[in-house]
Formats: sequence, structure tokens, C-alpha cells
Amino acid sequence: GQNIDQPTEMTATEGAIVQINCTYQTSGFNGLFWYQQHAGEAPTFLSYNVLDGLEEKGRFSSFLSRSKGYSYLLLKELQMKDSASYLCAVRGGDYKLSFGAGTTVTVRA
Amino acid sequence: EAGVAQSPRYKIIEKRQSVAFWCNPISGHATLYWYQQILGQGPKLLIQFQNNGVVDDSQLPKDRFSAERLKGVDSTLKIQPAKLEDSAVYLCASNLNRPYTEAFFGQGTRLTVV
Repeated sequence: GQNIDQPTEMTATEGAIVQINCTYQTSGFNGLFWYQQHAGEAPTFLSYNVLDGLEEKGRFSSFLSRSKGYSYLLLKELQMKDSASYLCAVRGGDYKLSFGAGTTVTVRA
Repeated sequence: EAGVAQSPRYKIIEKRQSVAFWCNPISGHATLYWYQQILGQGPKLLIQFQNNGVVDDSQLPKDRFSAERLKGVDSTLKIQPAKLEDSAVYLCASNLNRPYTEAFFGQGTRLTVV
């Protein structure tokens, strides 16, 4: 099975940086994904990691260490519109895609 | 490219009634997922199809939930009979059957059981 853990809530100030950690245990590995979900909306894809290291995509970066079962999502230059839930998801064997409970990020002025 | 289509968007039913949800995935996507998302929680995988075969349904409450994907395209998820705790958003997602490709989600169906 898959077990995915991430913090429940984080709060940061507009313009700051926030790092959301995710630890996982999985049988088989076919990628780690980060999704953003605004209240009342469907999850939208942000980034994925296959190999160890940092993937940068504008203000968002994601890091993966497969040996440690660890990833983080880094949000830079926070904007009010970044207030949302951030979901860590792992695709294991058979392409089974499992999600963590999500981290609610609140950006304050 | 058209996205994942789901209907209805909202549904209110009384407990013990039946309900069905429909999903049309992105064309060419072999993998289809149904998730249940209770308010304040992450999506919970109910069932995963690859084409018209079930890959994983270990978390599907089979005494009341059923799903099918005829011809490997559209899918329906049914609940019969519904319970109060089934109130949630039901999300459908689809994926190319290739590694390291992201899943795309539909808008979901918000079910309220009263």
C-alpha cells in the first residue's frame, strides 16, 4: 500500500517563501506529483518528480529524494491567490495514484 | 483538447436512495480513477480502471458502491443505498497509461445525502 504524510496547515505572509514537506511509503514508484486545489474546485496539476533533485517551474519548485521517501514543494514570492490546499500524490505500481490529506496554505497580507 | 467531463455537478438525495455519477475521460486516456473527497480531506481512491479492466478497488465499499467502464471509455459510479457519510465530492480523473504523466481531473460531483 501507500502511506503519504504532509502537514495539515501552514500560514505565510505575502511575498514570503513556504516549504511543504511530504513523506511517503510506496510499493513501486512511478512518480511524485503535486496538485493545487482551491476551495470548491478540482485539483490542478503543478509539478512532478521522477528523479532525485529539484525541478523548478516559475515560482514553484519541487524536490525529491527517492531513497528517503521525501519530497517538498517550495512556493516563492507568495501571492494571495496561492491560498489553497496543496496535495502530494504518489504513483506506485500499476499506476495507482494515491494522495495525501493535503496542506492548507493561508497567505496573509 | 477537451477535459474530463463529469455529471451531474450537484446532487442531493435522501439516505437509502440510489445515485449514479457519470464520467467521460480525455480521449485516449487508458487509465481512469474515481476518488471520494470528504470536506477537508485529500482525495481517496475508490477504484482504478485500465481500459475496461479493474486495476484496484481495494477501498471501494462493495456492499453499496459499484462502478463500471464499458468499452474502456465512459464510466459510471453508483451508490445504492446511500448513507449520510457518503456526502462528499466524487472526482473522476484520467491518465495516459505512461509513467510520469499527470492525471487530469473533472470538476467533480458534489453529493449531499440528507
